[in-house]
Amino acid sequence: AQTVTQSQPEMSVQEAETVTLSCTYDTSENNYYLFWYKQPPSRQMILVIRQEAYKQQNATENRFSVNFQKAAKSFSLKISDSQLGDTAMYFCAFMPGSSNTGKLIFGQGTTLQVKP
Amino acid sequence: EAGVAQSPRYKIIEKRQSVAFWCNPISGHATLYWYQQILGQGPKLLIQFQNNGVVDDSQLPKDRFSAERLKGVDSTLKIQPAKLEDSAVYLCASSLVRAGGHTQYFGPGTRLTVL
Repeated sequence: AQTVTQSQPEMSVQEAETVTLSCTYDTSENNYYLFWYKQPPSRQMILVIRQEAYKQQNATENRFSVNFQKAAKSFSLKISDSQLGDTAMYFCAFMPGSSNTGKLIFGQGTTLQVKP
Repeated sequence: EAGVAQSPRYKIIEKRQSVAFWCNPISGHATLYWYQQILGQGPKLLIQFQNNGVVDDSQLPKDRFSAERLKGVDSTLKIQPAKLEDSAVYLCASSLVRAGGHTQYFGPGTRLTVL
């Protein structure tokens, strides 16, 4: 069974600094997709960034980038120039590529607090 | 473009009562998902629809949970009877297609408290 592990329950960072959130996953598949979702307090979950496993190049979206290490089954999220609005719970998620369901498997989440 | 809509936003019930949640996905999205998010955990898929057919309901507690998506648009998730452990946020999500890594868009969720 595929699993996703986020080993940092809580993290904090000063505004304008850089922070990295960790995620590891377990799968026997070669084709899959990885996601980072952000869930602000009392607000809905939104997609931050997405990575296809067959692509070697790490995905980037403005201040957000990932470090995808396929052999190590690691998928960390780097937030540069942290802003107060980045305060949220961040979930790493895995989607099998072979499956036809599009099912997302989530980690336990990391609560990030950006301090002024 | 309107996002995924859910109602109610909050619900408090006594154990053994029944409750229903409603979801309206993004227009044109064929795939609809219901997730259960217990406090402090990541969401867990309960059921997935492709149009009005069920694709995956392997983690749905079928003795008490039921869901339908009549006409392939809106969906309703029901719990009857509710247990204390059903206290959670119920998230609805939709995507254009169900595979290929397509982005799932989430609604605001319904927070259920069972007393």
